[in-house]
Parts: sequence; structure tokens; C-alpha cells
Amino acid sequence: GEQVEQRPPHLSVREGDSAVITCTYTDPNSYYFFWYKQEPGASLQLLMKVFSSTEINEGQGFTVLLNKKDKRLSLNLTAAHPGDSAAYFCAVRPPTGGYKVVFGSGTRLLVSP
Amino acid sequence: EAAVTQSPRSKVAVTGGKVTLSCHQTNNHDYMYWYRQDTGHGLRLIHYSYVADSTEKGDIPDGYKASRPSQENFSLILELASLSQTAVYFCASSPGQISNERLFFGHGTKLSVL
Repeated sequence: GEQVEQRPPHLSVREGDSAVITCTYTDPNSYYFFWYKQEPGASLQLLMKVFSSTEINEGQGFTVLLNKKDKRLSLNLTAAHPGDSAAYFCAVRPPTGGYKVVFGSGTRLLVSP
Repeated sequence: EAAVTQSPRSKVAVTGGKVTLSCHQTNNHDYMYWYRQDTGHGLRLIHYSYVADSTEKGDIPDGYKASRPSQENFSLILELASLSQTAVYFCASSPGQISNERLFFGHGTKLSVL
């Protein structure tokens, strides 16, 4: 079945720097991808969902890139600020088994002033 | 915005004791899930349900039971809690089985088994 590897597990940057988190997946037929943000002591909140027809999605202060050829999904926080400090999880919905969501192991991001 | 409420927010249990974690959702979602999060790991699916009075095994069901008495409520039961079940447990719901639908998560229950 689908497997998702997320790197790095920990990331520490200074305010204003960029931060890049990457997930690689194994099922070339996986079609839907999600990024969730989990602030300390809180639940997971959807950051963005990405479909295979979209390669780049831009949100407030971040960019998501999907590279189907390499089976790689990345989250790029541009000009990170301390409020971005959180755990970030990628998640992949394989094409079969609609209930199934496979999560990456998470990246703990710390943005220092 | 879908609301998923978990109770309790935290719990300390003794080894061998019974633990019940509760989840309630108010947005009429068909699917409900229980995930486990361990430090440094992603979320792993324990049980899920797509209709009341029916539950299905996820990826790590051993040592856990689930109950879905109504569309709104989904419980996770540890009949004989063990040290290895110390973790944060998240309940989630989604409207259906469509692949592009996101999950709506509760705030989590931190369970410590001593």
C-alpha cells in the first residue's frame, strides 16, 4: 500500500527565512494530497489540499509544489514568522479505498525571532 | 465549519483498566475515524466507521474496540489498557468516501497509561 516519507523531522529557522518540508510517496496513482498544520497542544487544521491537476498552489505565506514524476510533495514557507512554529503533516489519499489517508511522520518547525 | 468534540481532553489510566474515549460531531458526516499519534510519528488509523452501528478495522486495531451508536457519536474503547497505548488520540470525521474530502479533527485526547 501507499507509504509516505516526510523530511526533515525537525526544522529550525530564523524569522524571515524560508522553510521547506518534503514528502515522497510510493503509489503513482495517488491523486489527492493534503497539508495539515498542528500548533502545540491543538488539533490538526487543513493548510491546503492539492490535486494532481495542480502543480503549484499558493496560500498565505506558503507554496505547495506537487511533482508527480518524482512522487514528491513539498511545502515551502516563504519568510517564516514565529506564528508558523508548529508541526506540519502531509497526507495522501490513495486512489482506492476511499476512507484511507496515509500521513507522513510530521515536521516540527521552530521559527525563532 | 464541522465541529468534532472529544472527551476527555486528557486521561490517566492504570494498566489493565478500561478506558473509553468519546467523540461527537455535529455536521452530519458519514465517516468517523480514530487515529493514534505517537511522539515523532504521524497519525495511524485505528478504527473507522461509515454508518451507525457499524465499525471497521484500520491499520492498527489490536487492543482497541470501537462503537458507533449514532451518526454523531463514535467511541474508542481500550478494554485492558497497556503502557504501549500511551499516546494522543484524535477523532476525525469526513463527509464521505470521496478522495478529495478533507478530514475534520477533534482537539485530541492525551492518554497516559501508568
